[in-house]
Amino acid sequence: EVQLVESGGGLIQPGGSLTLSCAASGFTVSLNYMSWVRQAPGKGLEWVSVVYSGGTTDYADSVKGRFTISRDNSKNTLYLQMNSLRAEDTAVYYCARGLVEMATYYFDYWGQGTLVTVSS
Amino acid sequence: QSVLTQPPSVSGAPGQRVSISCTGSSSNIGVGYDVHWYQQLPGTAPKLLIFGNNNRPSGVPDRFSGSKSGTSASLAITGLQAEDEADYYCQSYDSSLSGSNVFGTGTKVTVL
Repeated sequence: EVQLVESGGGLIQPGGSLTLSCAASGFTVSLNYMSWVRQAPGKGLEWVSVVYSGGTTDYADSVKGRFTISRDNSKNTLYLQMNSLRAEDTAVYYCARGLVEMATYYFDYWGQGTLVTVSS
Repeated sequence: QSVLTQPPSVSGAPGQRVSISCTGSSSNIGVGYDVHWYQQLPGTAPKLLIFGNNNRPSGVPDRFSGSKSGTSASLAITGLQAEDEADYYCQSYDSSLSGSNVFGTGTKVTVL
């Protein structure tokens, strides 16, 4: 059974750093596209970042230069290192598995989400 | 603001048919990228509903269907049920965006 379990969220001051983890089971993280998607309180979904199966990464403009996505193949775990956090980064962060469909990819499994609150 | 626009809300009585539009442009849906749909029940993570414009994952009722034409896509729900009350999001690619992935603005479906 495929499962994704996020952890690491919490309250952090503006300018601070936080690392989110997403432990996967039932499949191999390194063989899949893995993404982070966030949702600010009462708002819609926003794609944040992806690590492709080949290891290359990509980011939304809103987080580029501040967030780093990575994976630990030995632990089958996905990470999101978040630096220089801003109030507008406050959101529930979901990790999701991406499946390729033609020239796009979609998310077939999602974690339960972890809440990050950036506030003084 | 997303490049994929959805109506903020739609509503219908039980048993009725409702449709949700996802309007894009020539840099996303119009160039041929597939559209995918997600259902988000209150307080839960999104769930894949439709992939590749009109394909249902195993377990999704055939009351849900998707279509795409030109620069827009649609999600239809027939035989509306109380448990369909949720937020719905489309997702596609946009060649003008960093990372390319984009979600629609989201639509709240209310069952009257």
